[in-house]
Amino acid sequence: QSVLTQPPSVSGAPRQRVAISCSGSSSNIGSNVVNWYQQVPGKAPKLLIYYDDLLTSGVSDRFSGSKSGTSASLAISGLQSEDEADYFCATWDDSLNGWIFGAGTKLTVL
Amino acid sequence: QVLLVQSGGEVKRPGASVKVSCKASGYTFSDFDIHWVRQVAGQGLEGMGRMSPRSGHTVYRQKFQGRVTMTTDTPTSTAYMELNNLTSEDTAVYYCARGRYSGYDLGYWGQGTLVTVSS
Repeated sequence: QSVLTQPPSVSGAPRQRVAISCSGSSSNIGSNVVNWYQQVPGKAPKLLIYYDDLLTSGVSDRFSGSKSGTSASLAISGLQSEDEADYFCATWDDSLNGWIFGAGTKLTVL
Repeated sequence: QVLLVQSGGEVKRPGASVKVSCKASGYTFSDFDIHWVRQVAGQGLEGMGRMSPRSGHTVYRQKFQGRVTMTTDTPTSTAYMELNNLTSEDTAVYYCARGRYSGYDLGYWGQGTLVTVSS
């Protein structure tokens, strides 16, 4: 059971916008930065968003991140078929001495 | 460009140990911590710890304390993660990773090493 809570799946039609939520607590999201990763089957995760809302160089600006209190969100606008993947939120947990990740959200482009 | 290349897959018996390597290139090895993250098939990701090649300082996740050892060899720019007393629950893909912008992101990843624990 993950410490960070994400919806198991989201879906949207091409060109639509979707948002993926990530809920934590004061000991993790509430006190550390949040990153977002994209992972396709058989590949390593890819950093999309770092420091809550900064876009990794080379990543499409259709991706954006935000954080408020103990929750964070990843938004993807102008959905494309290539966006189909698993998306994970992550932050450092000081009490556990390690990175913690959400269980992941599978995005389906209809 | 920054590359992290990991050793090949391993099959181990319960109770055994495994040592995974991660060879870095494209940057000054001692400038960035090496992190280790694992992923059980079909499940989420789990951080195991981090090590500074420069200082030798390690931070292990509580869950793995006493069972994991992370080391680095600066002359060869290689990091190692050794996990002892393996059980079937340790069957996973193990990744090494490095920050891209700071110590609080994982912007570069190795390709992953599948460790299978089976009797």
